[in-house]
Amino acid sequence: DSGVTQTPKHLITATGQRVTLRCSPRSGDLSVYWYQQSLDQGLQFLIQYYNGEERAKGNILERFSAQQFPDLHSELNLSSLELGDSALYFCASSVEGFGDRETQYFGPGTRLLVL
Amino acid sequence: AQKITQTQPGMFVQEKEAVTLDCTYDTSDPSYGLFWYKQPSSGEMIFLIYQGSYDQQNATEGRYSLNFQKARKSANLVISASQLGDSAMYFCAMRGVDNYGQNFVFGPGTRLSVLP
Repeated sequence: DSGVTQTPKHLITATGQRVTLRCSPRSGDLSVYWYQQSLDQGLQFLIQYYNGEERAKGNILERFSAQQFPDLHSELNLSSLELGDSALYFCASSVEGFGDRETQYFGPGTRLLVL
Repeated sequence: AQKITQTQPGMFVQEKEAVTLDCTYDTSDPSYGLFWYKQPSSGEMIFLIYQGSYDQQNATEGRYSLNFQKARKSANLVISASQLGDSAMYFCAMRGVDNYGQNFVFGPGTRLSVLP
């Protein structure tokens, strides 16, 4: 158990809908990262937050947004969902979020299925 | 741009034998970190081992060791005395700094199957 929690574990929804994925980092970690893992694209970095502020942006679609709250938990919002958004969404956390030595610890993931 | 290459989509190894999973990387960052993660069929991503670009010695963590050859830009994972529970996807990843700030890049992964 990495100490990172994600809810829900599974989510089934329809095209055009909006969902929110939630992540709580390990105790003491200030930085949260979101990743999307799909069969055709592999593991893609979406976005990083550090202590409530956006730190880095990867291949995140405009239909997706995220935020990190004062208690450091984070939410990833996915809207106007398409079939291709079906994937495993991971949250990871690290202590500070910068420096090449920072290890990220991953949550169990949320498996999203868009029908 | 940073890139990780894992040229072995799948590998088989006999139980109790050692196996090497290949990873090569490309970066222009002067300082970077290399990581290996394991993803069993249950889906979670488990951190295995870390190697810093300026570390003098190869990293080791139990049965895992990292064969780091900086000049060749390779960071191969060696698993000694394979166990059935080692069957999983293995991802090599790199962290450095690019135009977007701190970023973390993963390779496509290698599926390891340990045979009894």
